[in-house]
Amino acid sequence: KNQVEQSPQSLIILEGKNCTLQCNYTVSPFSNLRWYKQDTGRGPVSLTIMTFSENTKSNGRYTATLDADTKQSSLHITASQLSDSASYICVVSALGSYIPTFGRGTSLIVHP
Amino acid sequence: NAGVTQTPKFQVLKTGQSMTLQCAQDMNHEYMSWYRQDPGMGLRLIHYSVGAGITDQGEVPNGYNVSRSTTEDFPLRLLSAAPSQTSVYFCASSPRRGDSNQPQHFGDGTRLSIL
Repeated sequence: KNQVEQSPQSLIILEGKNCTLQCNYTVSPFSNLRWYKQDTGRGPVSLTIMTFSENTKSNGRYTATLDADTKQSSLHITASQLSDSASYICVVSALGSYIPTFGRGTSLIVHP
Repeated sequence: NAGVTQTPKFQVLKTGQSMTLQCAQDMNHEYMSWYRQDPGMGLRLIHYSVGAGITDQGEVPNGYNVSRSTTEDFPLRLLSAAPSQTSVYFCASSPRRGDSNQPQHFGDGTRLSIL
C-alpha cells in the first residue's frame, strides 16, 4: 500500500530560526513529490515539485531535497517568519496514477 | 483570474438531506478533483475528472456523485448526507492529469457539518 509519513507531527520554533521537516514514502513506481503549505482555513498552496532526477529545489526560503534511493524528502525553511506558521504537506504521486498519496502534514508554529 | 472557487464556504445539513458543493476554475485546466480533509488524516481523493465528460472514482467515493459537463465546473453531490461526511471538502485543478509534474491549485474549501 502506498504511504507517506511525515515527521515531526508538530514543531514550534522561534522567529528567525531554521527548521527541517521530513517526509518518508513507499509510493512506487515514483513519479513526483510535492510539498504544499496550508494556512489555517485555506487550501494547500504548492511550494515545490520534484521528479526522480531532481534532488534539490528551492522556492525562496524553502528548499526541498529528495533522495529517491532511500525514499526520503525534507523541506528546509530558512530564517523563519511568523507567516511560515502553517501545516506543511508532503504528497507523492505514482507513475500512471491519478490518485496521489498525501501525508498527514507537519504543523509548524513560529513564535516571535 | 480567480483560480479555483468553491461555494458555499460553510454548510450545515441534517442527516438524509442532499446538496451540491460547487467548484469552478477559470484556468482552462483539464484535471479536476475533489478531496476531503479530516482531523489527523491526509487529504483523501473522492472523485476526479481528466476532462469534460470524463469522471472516475478516487479512494473514498461512496455517498458522492460528480459530473463534468464543462471544463470549468466540477460539482460534488451528496446524495443522502450522513454524519460521517462531516468534513472539509477541497476542490483542486491542474493543467493535466494527476501524476503530471504540475502543481494542483486548490480552492479554499467548503466546511460541511452533518447533524
